Amino acid sequence: QQKVQQSPESLIVPEGGMASLNCTSSDRNVDYFWWYRQHSGKSPKMLMSIFSNGEKEEGRFTVHLNKASLHTSLHIRDSQPSDSALYLCAASGSNYNVLYFGSGTKLTVEP
Amino acid sequence: EAAVTQSPRNKVAVTGGKVTLSCNQTNNHNNMYWYRQDTGHGLRLIHYSYGAGSTEKGDIPDGYKASRPSQENFSLILELATPSQTSVYFCASGGTKNTLYFGAGTRLSVL
Repeated sequence: QQKVQQSPESLIVPEGGMASLNCTSSDRNVDYFWWYRQHSGKSPKMLMSIFSNGEKEEGRFTVHLNKASLHTSLHIRDSQPSDSALYLCAASGSNYNVLYFGSGTKLTVEP
Repeated sequence: EAAVTQSPRNKVAVTGGKVTLSCNQTNNHNNMYWYRQDTGHGLRLIHYSYGAGSTEKGDIPDGYKASRPSQENFSLILELATPSQTSVYFCASGGTKNTLYFGAGTRLSVL
């Protein structure tokens, strides 16, 4: 059973629209979350990290974290075709050095 | 940006053969990781290392060995390759706040 679950599996949004991606851990030891983005045929690259309850914004990207429910979400406003990619959520817990990844959400932004 | 280099980029192996995947990082990061990526499974952790001489088992270590002879190099060894090990393999090193920097990946086909 995967420690990190992501939803939806795939998402299509129009250019300029808002994309919302979800991630939940089933492991109560999880403490830290990351979001990675992987364009087709490329390697994953870290997009944002969040370690404390609340919200973090970087440009068009906003991440929320609720540690009590072990849930994080990524919101992309004014989505662009270049945002089309696989978005991977990662989490670590009692062993901070080990990151577990979800299966990802495939985002398609249609022009 | 942090540099992680994997070789080979593509490999075709025969069932029962030995396969070695190599990874080199020039970031002077202590932690290094091997993941495999299959459709629907995201990234699954095979082995990781805290430094030269150290190897630890991840979630799916069966059928794989790892070797960390130096700070820079981390290898993944398949002693007896099987078709179920056909996958894309990513090496990563861990930087500040455990941000992972991934190599370009190795596509392995076991026939």
